[in-house]
Amino acid sequence: DTGVSQNPRHKITKRGQNVTFRCDPISEHNRLYWYRQTLGQGPEFLTYFQNEAQLEKSRLLSDRFSAERPKGSFSTLEIQRTEQGDSAMYLCASSLDSTYEQYFGPGTRLTVT
Amino acid sequence: AQSVTQPDIHITVSEGASLELRCNYSYGATPYLFWYVQSPGQGLQLLLKYFSGDTLVQGIKGFEAEFKRSQSSFNLRKPSVHWSDAAEYFCAVGAEYGNKLVFGAGTILRVKS
Repeated sequence: DTGVSQNPRHKITKRGQNVTFRCDPISEHNRLYWYRQTLGQGPEFLTYFQNEAQLEKSRLLSDRFSAERPKGSFSTLEIQRTEQGDSAMYLCASSLDSTYEQYFGPGTRLTVT
Repeated sequence: AQSVTQPDIHITVSEGASLELRCNYSYGATPYLFWYVQSPGQGLQLLLKYFSGDTLVQGIKGFEAEFKRSQSSFNLRKPSVHWSDAAEYFCAVGAEYGNKLVFGAGTILRVKS
Protein backbone atom coordinates (compact mmCIF):
# COMPACT_ATOMS: atom_id res chain seq x y z
CA ASP A 1 0.00 0.00 0.00
CA THR A 2 1.76 3.10 -1.22
CA GLY A 3 -0.94 5.59 -0.30
CA VAL A 4 -2.67 8.12 -2.50
CA SER A 5 -0.39 9.76 -5.04
CA GLN A 6 -0.93 12.94 -7.02
CA ASN A 7 0.89 14.39 -9.99
CA PRO A 8 2.23 16.88 -10.56
CA ARG A 9 2.96 18.22 -7.08
CA HIS A 10 3.26 21.76 -8.37
CA LYS A 11 1.92 23.44 -11.47
CA ILE A 12 2.44 27.02 -12.60
CA THR A 13 0.38 28.11 -15.54
CA LYS A 14 -0.68 31.28 -17.26
CA ARG A 15 -4.22 32.50 -17.12
CA GLY A 16 -6.30 31.02 -19.89
CA GLN A 17 -4.32 27.80 -20.18
CA ASN A 18 -5.72 24.35 -19.49
CA VAL A 19 -4.28 22.11 -16.80
CA THR A 20 -4.82 18.48 -15.86
CA PHE A 21 -4.03 16.78 -12.58
CA ARG A 22 -3.86 13.09 -11.87
CA CYS A 23 -4.73 11.13 -8.74
CA ASP A 24 -3.91 7.48 -8.08
CA PRO A 25 -5.89 6.19 -5.11
CA ILE A 26 -5.05 3.35 -2.77
CA SER A 27 -5.47 0.31 -4.96
CA GLU A 28 -8.45 -1.37 -3.31
CA HIS A 29 -10.37 1.84 -2.65
CA ASN A 30 -13.45 2.28 -4.78
CA ARG A 31 -14.31 5.85 -3.74
CA LEU A 32 -12.28 8.81 -4.88
CA TYR A 33 -12.75 12.44 -3.86
CA TRP A 34 -11.43 15.78 -5.03
CA TYR A 35 -11.14 18.77 -2.70
CA ARG A 36 -9.75 22.26 -3.10
CA GLN A 37 -7.91 24.10 -0.35
CA THR A 38 -7.07 27.78 -0.40
CA LEU A 39 -4.75 29.56 1.99
CA GLY A 40 -6.11 29.76 5.50
CA GLN A 41 -9.07 27.54 4.78
CA GLY A 42 -9.98 23.93 5.21
CA PRO A 43 -10.45 21.70 2.18
CA GLU A 44 -13.70 22.16 0.26
CA PHE A 45 -15.40 19.28 -1.49
CA LEU A 46 -15.47 19.36 -5.28
CA THR A 47 -16.64 15.96 -6.47
CA TYR A 48 -16.47 12.25 -5.83
CA PHE A 49 -16.60 8.95 -7.66
CA GLN A 50 -17.74 5.52 -6.69
CA ASN A 51 -15.83 3.29 -9.06
CA GLU A 52 -16.15 5.05 -12.43
CA ALA A 53 -19.43 6.83 -11.66
CA GLN A 54 -19.30 10.48 -10.67
CA LEU A 55 -21.96 10.66 -7.98
CA GLU A 56 -21.83 14.21 -6.72
CA LYS A 57 -20.47 17.56 -7.82
CA SER A 58 -20.21 20.67 -5.72
CA ARG A 59 -21.47 24.03 -6.93
CA LEU A 60 -17.79 25.03 -6.69
CA LEU A 61 -17.17 22.86 -9.73
CA SER A 62 -17.92 25.30 -12.52
CA ASP A 63 -18.28 24.18 -16.12
CA ARG A 64 -14.58 24.89 -16.62
CA PHE A 65 -13.81 21.95 -14.35
CA SER A 66 -14.18 18.34 -15.37
CA ALA A 67 -13.22 15.17 -13.57
CA GLU A 68 -13.04 11.64 -14.85
CA ARG A 69 -12.29 8.21 -13.51
CA PRO A 70 -12.52 6.13 -16.66
CA LYS A 71 -11.74 2.65 -15.34
CA GLY A 72 -12.51 3.14 -11.69
CA SER A 73 -8.84 3.43 -10.83
CA PHE A 74 -6.97 6.72 -11.31
CA SER A 75 -8.76 10.01 -11.78
CA THR A 76 -8.01 13.23 -13.62
CA LEU A 77 -9.18 16.74 -12.85
CA GLU A 78 -9.01 19.21 -15.72
CA ILE A 79 -9.42 22.95 -15.47
CA GLN A 80 -10.00 24.78 -18.71
CA ARG A 81 -9.26 28.46 -19.26
CA THR A 82 -7.66 28.84 -15.86
CA GLU A 83 -8.27 31.99 -13.84
CA GLN A 84 -6.24 33.47 -11.02
CA GLY A 85 -8.96 32.44 -8.61
CA ASP A 86 -8.24 28.81 -9.43
CA SER A 87 -4.91 29.08 -7.61
CA ALA A 88 -5.16 26.59 -4.76
CA MET A 89 -4.07 23.21 -3.50
CA TYR A 90 -6.07 20.41 -5.12
CA LEU A 91 -6.34 17.39 -2.88
CA CYS A 92 -7.41 13.88 -3.76
CA ALA A 93 -8.62 11.31 -1.25
CA SER A 94 -9.81 7.74 -1.45
CA SER A 95 -11.79 5.38 0.73
CA LEU A 96 -13.40 2.02 0.80
CA ASP A 97 -17.13 2.02 0.20
CA SER A 98 -18.89 3.61 3.15
CA THR A 99 -16.05 3.31 5.63
CA TYR A 100 -15.95 7.11 5.97
CA GLU A 101 -12.18 7.02 6.37
CA GLN A 102 -10.71 9.13 3.64
CA TYR A 103 -6.99 8.99 3.00
CA PHE A 104 -5.49 12.02 1.35
CA GLY A 105 -2.72 12.47 -1.14
CA PRO A 106 -0.06 15.20 -0.89
CA GLY A 107 -1.96 17.51 -3.20
CA THR A 108 -1.19 19.46 -6.36
CA ARG A 109 -0.47 23.14 -5.81
CA LEU A 110 -1.69 25.22 -8.74
CA THR A 111 -0.50 28.76 -9.30
CA VAL A 112 -2.14 30.75 -12.06
CA THR A 113 -0.17 33.82 -13.13
CA ALA B 1 -26.31 21.68 5.73
CA GLN B 2 -23.36 20.54 7.73
CA SER B 3 -20.83 22.97 9.13
CA VAL B 4 -17.80 22.90 11.38
CA THR B 5 -16.42 25.71 13.51
CA GLN B 6 -12.92 25.76 14.90
CA PRO B 7 -12.92 28.87 17.09
CA ASP B 8 -9.17 29.16 17.48
CA ILE B 9 -7.13 30.12 14.43
CA HIS B 10 -3.81 29.88 16.28
CA ILE B 11 -2.81 28.21 19.53
CA THR B 12 0.63 28.27 21.13
CA VAL B 13 1.58 25.80 23.85
CA SER B 14 4.82 24.96 25.56
CA GLU B 15 6.43 21.64 24.87
CA GLY B 16 5.24 19.15 27.46
CA ALA B 17 2.06 21.07 28.21
CA SER B 18 -1.40 19.70 27.59
CA LEU B 19 -3.40 20.64 24.51
CA GLU B 20 -7.06 21.01 23.69
CA LEU B 21 -8.29 22.08 20.26
CA ARG B 22 -11.94 22.98 19.98
CA CYS B 23 -14.38 21.86 17.34
CA ASN B 24 -18.11 22.50 17.12
CA TYR B 25 -20.28 21.02 14.42
CA SER B 26 -23.74 21.51 13.08
CA TYR B 27 -25.51 18.46 11.75
CA GLY B 28 -29.03 17.14 12.08
CA ALA B 29 -28.32 13.46 12.57
CA THR B 30 -25.64 11.38 14.21
CA PRO B 31 -22.42 12.81 12.87
CA TYR B 32 -19.33 11.09 11.62
CA LEU B 33 -16.48 13.18 13.02
CA PHE B 34 -12.81 13.31 12.18
CA TRP B 35 -9.62 15.09 13.08
CA TYR B 36 -6.87 15.47 10.51
CA VAL B 37 -3.42 16.99 10.78
CA GLN B 38 -1.58 18.77 8.00
CA SER B 39 2.11 19.62 8.09
CA PRO B 40 3.46 22.30 5.73
CA GLY B 41 3.44 21.13 2.13
CA GLN B 42 1.83 17.84 3.06
CA GLY B 43 -1.54 16.23 2.62
CA LEU B 44 -3.89 15.52 5.48
CA GLN B 45 -3.26 12.65 7.86
CA LEU B 46 -6.17 11.09 9.72
CA LEU B 47 -5.65 11.31 13.50
CA LEU B 48 -8.88 9.77 14.72
CA LYS B 49 -12.55 9.31 13.98
CA TYR B 50 -15.87 8.95 15.75
CA PHE B 51 -18.69 6.96 14.22
CA SER B 52 -20.66 5.64 17.19
CA GLY B 53 -20.23 3.98 20.55
CA ASP B 54 -17.72 5.14 23.11
CA THR B 55 -17.62 8.92 23.06
CA LEU B 56 -13.93 9.05 23.94
CA VAL B 57 -11.87 7.93 20.98
CA GLN B 58 -8.18 7.30 20.80
CA GLY B 59 -6.08 8.12 17.80
CA ILE B 60 -2.53 8.04 16.59
CA LYS B 61 0.37 10.03 18.04
CA GLY B 62 -1.18 10.06 21.52
CA PHE B 63 -4.23 12.14 20.56
CA GLU B 64 -7.75 11.58 21.81
CA ALA B 65 -11.07 13.31 21.25
CA GLU B 66 -14.36 13.37 23.08
CA PHE B 67 -17.73 13.56 21.37
CA LYS B 68 -20.29 15.56 23.35
CA ARG B 69 -23.66 15.53 21.65
CA SER B 70 -25.21 18.01 24.09
CA GLN B 71 -22.55 20.57 23.21
CA SER B 72 -22.17 19.59 19.53
CA SER B 73 -18.47 19.37 20.17
CA PHE B 74 -15.61 17.06 19.30
CA ASN B 75 -12.53 18.51 20.98
CA LEU B 76 -9.07 17.11 20.38
CA ARG B 77 -6.72 16.62 23.31
CA LYS B 78 -3.20 15.52 24.04
CA PRO B 79 -1.73 15.32 27.55
CA SER B 80 1.81 16.31 26.62
CA VAL B 81 2.69 18.11 23.40
CA HIS B 82 5.90 17.45 21.49
CA TRP B 83 7.63 19.94 19.21
CA SER B 84 6.82 17.65 16.27
CA ASP B 85 3.09 18.23 16.87
CA ALA B 86 3.38 21.72 15.43
CA ALA B 87 1.08 21.67 12.40
CA GLU B 88 -2.41 22.65 11.32
CA TYR B 89 -5.32 20.62 12.63
CA PHE B 90 -8.65 20.23 10.90
CA CYS B 91 -11.92 18.95 12.28
CA ALA B 92 -14.37 17.50 9.77
CA VAL B 93 -17.88 16.08 9.70
CA GLY B 94 -19.12 13.41 7.32
CA ALA B 95 -22.06 14.66 5.34
CA GLU B 96 -25.37 12.85 5.13
CA TYR B 97 -25.15 11.90 1.48
CA GLY B 98 -22.13 10.51 -0.23
CA ASN B 99 -19.93 10.86 2.80
CA LYS B 100 -18.10 13.90 1.53
CA LEU B 101 -16.33 15.71 4.34
CA VAL B 102 -17.05 19.24 5.49
CA PHE B 103 -14.01 20.78 7.13
CA GLY B 104 -13.46 23.56 9.60
CA ALA B 105 -11.03 26.36 8.80
CA GLY B 106 -8.29 24.76 10.86
CA THR B 107 -6.25 25.59 13.95
CA ILE B 108 -2.53 26.24 13.63
CA LEU B 109 -0.61 24.81 16.57
CA ARG B 110 2.71 26.31 17.53
CA VAL B 111 4.89 24.60 20.12
CA LYS B 112 7.43 26.64 22.02
CA SER B 113 10.40 25.10 23.72
